[in-house]
Amino acid sequence: NAGVTQTPKFRILKIGQSMTLQCAQDMNHNYMYWYRQDPGMGLKLIYYSVGAGITDKGEVPNGYNVSRSTTEDFPLRLELAAPSQTSVYFCASSSGLPGGDTEAFFGQGTRLTVV
Amino acid sequence: GIQVEQSPPDLILQEGANSTLRCNFSDSVNNLQWFHQNPWGQLINLFYIPSGTKQNGRLSATTVATERYSLLYISSSQTTDSGVYFCAVITQGGSEKLVFGKGTKLTVNP
Repeated sequence: NAGVTQTPKFRILKIGQSMTLQCAQDMNHNYMYWYRQDPGMGLKLIYYSVGAGITDKGEVPNGYNVSRSTTEDFPLRLELAAPSQTSVYFCASSSGLPGGDTEAFFGQGTRLTVV
Repeated sequence: GIQVEQSPPDLILQEGANSTLRCNFSDSVNNLQWFHQNPWGQLINLFYIPSGTKQNGRLSATTVATERYSLLYISSSQTTDSGVYFCAVITQGGSEKLVFGKGTKLTVNP
């Protein structure tokens, strides 16, 4: 199993450009999450999903959009990139089985710089 | 929403020393995890421990769910233990958000 795979690993965007950060998991997990981590700080939740077709906002959703058309994929869309979106982005997944183990696993991150 | 507080925020040790990191949370939880973020930024799962005690080599963790705290013990620390240790929780009864504390930055000097 590859676990949680994020692409790309690094990206430089110009102000106003758009891009999609990809996240895929092969563990048949129901729950998926997107976080951002600014330098020297903790992880802040952007969006999360408890299953295909269901998404919800986290702590810092402004400037981002997500979709969850399949169990495996949870892309994060940045529209009109701004310097404030310079950060490291992490995707995570967990099984979310009722009454079961909900251990979360993380991808390796995408380092995004907006200039 | 739930509050997750970690202490201390920073910790500097000499190689070989022992340490205890603490995570307090303000509500009942279904999930509590400890992660290590290494100097390259990778998040490594240490423990999935909603309650009880677990050990893995030099590391062990205890969660007392009724008193809403968890402890991470590092014994005989090594320079490779350096990095940031995060606690993260999912609350019971509703929201499935995985909420992180702000972390403890550990530096182990040779």
